Amino acid sequence: NAGVTQTPKFQVLKTGQSMTLQCAQDMNHNSMYWYRQDPGMGLRLIYYSASEGTTDKGEVPNGYNVSRLNKREFSLRLESAAPSQTSVYFCASSDRPGSFDEQFFGPGTRLTVL
Amino acid sequence: DAKTTQPTSMDCAEGRAANLPCNHSTISGNEYVYWYRQIHSQGPQYIIHGLKNNETNEMASLIITEDRKSSTLILPHATLRDTAVYYCILKGYGQNFVFGPGTRLSVLP
Repeated sequence: NAGVTQTPKFQVLKTGQSMTLQCAQDMNHNSMYWYRQDPGMGLRLIYYSASEGTTDKGEVPNGYNVSRLNKREFSLRLESAAPSQTSVYFCASSDRPGSFDEQFFGPGTRLTVL
Repeated sequence: DAKTTQPTSMDCAEGRAANLPCNHSTISGNEYVYWYRQIHSQGPQYIIHGLKNNETNEMASLIITEDRKSSTLILPHATLRDTAVYYCILKGYGQNFVFGPGTRLSVLP
């Protein structure tokens, strides 16, 4: 039982390049989330998917798109990377949408945009 | 606007209890108090949550005041591995988690 996995672990991009961050969970959870964390800050929600087939914007969605490929996988895409998107990206999942269930987090993807 | 207020940092001696305070004076009746921690830039880890009664699990205890305007997370016997950033978060049904800057706890040998 791997929990929440993220790929890649590290990535360096040039301004304007695109990339997709992958996230998968094996806990049969309904809800999945993408956060970013800048140095010395707490996590900020980018997008979330309450259940398969739905996605919603979080606090900081600009510059990102997401796809809930199936119940297990939730990807985050940067179409044209900017230096302001240099951050650590965390994916998380929880069982029931909107409930009081705790979220389980992946190990993070460290992204640098030059 | 932050819904919780936590000290920026705290120290605790190894083996002693670590008491981490959190103020949430504007908490709503349906909001739970959650605690997460983040060790050295790993993904956050759930610790405990509660509504109004005190809660205890294998990791920690959560003490919530009767008026629910503040709470304390207690790590009964802190170890060096408990050095982390601890986040106190309010969450109501249907709401998302909002992580503030947290408290950086340093457990000292």
